[in-house]
Amino acid sequence: GENVEQHPSTLSVQEGDSAVIKCTYSDSASNYFPWYKQELGKRPQLIIDIRSNVGEKKDQRIAVTLNKTAKHFSLHITETQPEDSAVYFCAAQSYRDDKIIFGKGTRLHILP
Amino acid sequence: GAVVSQHPSWVICKSGTSVKIECRSLDFQATTMFWYRQFPKQSLMLMATSNEGSKATYEQGVEKDKFLINHASLTLSTLTVTSAHPEDSSFYICSARPSGVETQYFGPGTRLLVL
Repeated sequence: GENVEQHPSTLSVQEGDSAVIKCTYSDSASNYFPWYKQELGKRPQLIIDIRSNVGEKKDQRIAVTLNKTAKHFSLHITETQPEDSAVYFCAAQSYRDDKIIFGKGTRLHILP
Repeated sequence: GAVVSQHPSWVICKSGTSVKIECRSLDFQATTMFWYRQFPKQSLMLMATSNEGSKATYEQGVEKDKFLINHASLTLSTLTVTSAHPEDSSFYICSARPSGVETQYFGPGTRLLVL
C-alpha cells in the first residue's frame, strides 16, 4: 500500500520568512496530492492540491511542487504570517481506490 | 461547495457501550465514503472505505466486528463503535468525494471519550 513520509515534524519560522515542508510517496498509482491545514480540534482544510500531470502550482503565498519521477512533493509558504501556525498534512490519493493516505504532519510555528 | 456533516460532534460514553456516528453528504451523492481516526498529536489514519450497498473495506489492523460500517444510502454512512473501551477514545472523521471531482471533503469530526 501507499506510504507517505513527511518532514520535518516541527518547523519554527520567523514571521515573514518562508517555510518548506517535504513529502515522499511510494505508490506510483497515486496521482493526486492534496495539502491540508488542521487547526486544533477541527477538520483538515484543503489549502492547495496538485495532480500528477502538473509539476508546480501556486496560489498567492502558497505553492506546491511535484517531482513524479522521484516521488517527491513539497509545500512552500512565503511571507509567513501568525495565522499560518497550524499542523500541515501532505497526502497522496490513488486513482485505483480514491484512498487518501496522510503524512504524519508538520507542526508549523510562526515566531513573532 | 460540497458539504459533509457528522453527528454527533462529541460523545461521552461508558466503557462497554456502543456509539453510532453518522456522516452525511449534504449536497451531493457519494457512493464511497471514508472513515479516519486521529489520536492526539497524530495524523489521520484511514480505518475503512464505506461502499454504498455493499460491505465496507477495512484497513489492516482495524477490527471489522468492532467498527461496524453501514452505507445505506448515497448520502449517509454510519460508523458504530461496539463495546467501546477507553483506548477507542479518539477523533473520528469521515470524508466523501463528489463524482467527477478529485477533492475529498471532510466532515467536522466526532470526538469520542470512553470512560
